[in-house]
Amino acid sequence: DAGVIQSPRHEVTEMGQEVTLRCKPISGHNSLFWYRQTMMRGLELLIYFNNNVPIDDSGMPEDRFSAKMPNASFSTLKIQPSEPRDSAVYFCASSSSYEQYFGPGTRLTVT
Amino acid sequence: GQQLNQSPQSMFIQEGEDVSMNCTSSSIFNTWLWYKQEPGEGPVLLIALYKAGELTSNGRLTAQFGITRKDSFLNISASIPSDVGIYFCAGQLAYNTDKLIFGTGTRLQVFP
Repeated sequence: DAGVIQSPRHEVTEMGQEVTLRCKPISGHNSLFWYRQTMMRGLELLIYFNNNVPIDDSGMPEDRFSAKMPNASFSTLKIQPSEPRDSAVYFCASSSSYEQYFGPGTRLTVT
Repeated sequence: GQQLNQSPQSMFIQEGEDVSMNCTSSSIFNTWLWYKQEPGEGPVLLIALYKAGELTSNGRLTAQFGITRKDSFLNISASIPSDVGIYFCAGQLAYNTDKLIFGTGTRLQVFP
């Protein structure tokens, strides 16, 4: 069974550039979550979707962050423009109940 | 926002020892989940608990949903080197949301 797929696994970019992170949830799961993990702040929920509709985006840091889910099998998290403080590991997770399954993450470094 | 207090923050134990960690909150949770995260990977679900008082095992792992619904513990028996990682508890506050609140994690180091 394919789990949650994220790409890229690593991204290094310069400050001011646009960054797009991608996620393919587990087939049949109707909820999708984007998290950010740092040493200082731990695991933070940024936004989650249910049936492709954004339900709670209260964790999105600011207008530079946006997320879309155009269909049940694909979601993107975009940062424009990126800043060094955005450096973190970004996880996507999906669920069909209360059990969330995480992808391997994208390690983002903004220089 | 809501927080889960997880303890201890870190543990350094010898192979073969038993491990216990717990999460507490001032709020009532409907579901408790325990995850393990290894370096460079995403958290992996270990155990899910749905009822107050529920005790569930998964191999050498045992977890319980506290009777007050405000806490949960995870025990690992006879630890082995591959148990190394960060263990997170997570709780679901309300039935009408899929959102989980995560604990701060317990970093486990096992020495042979």
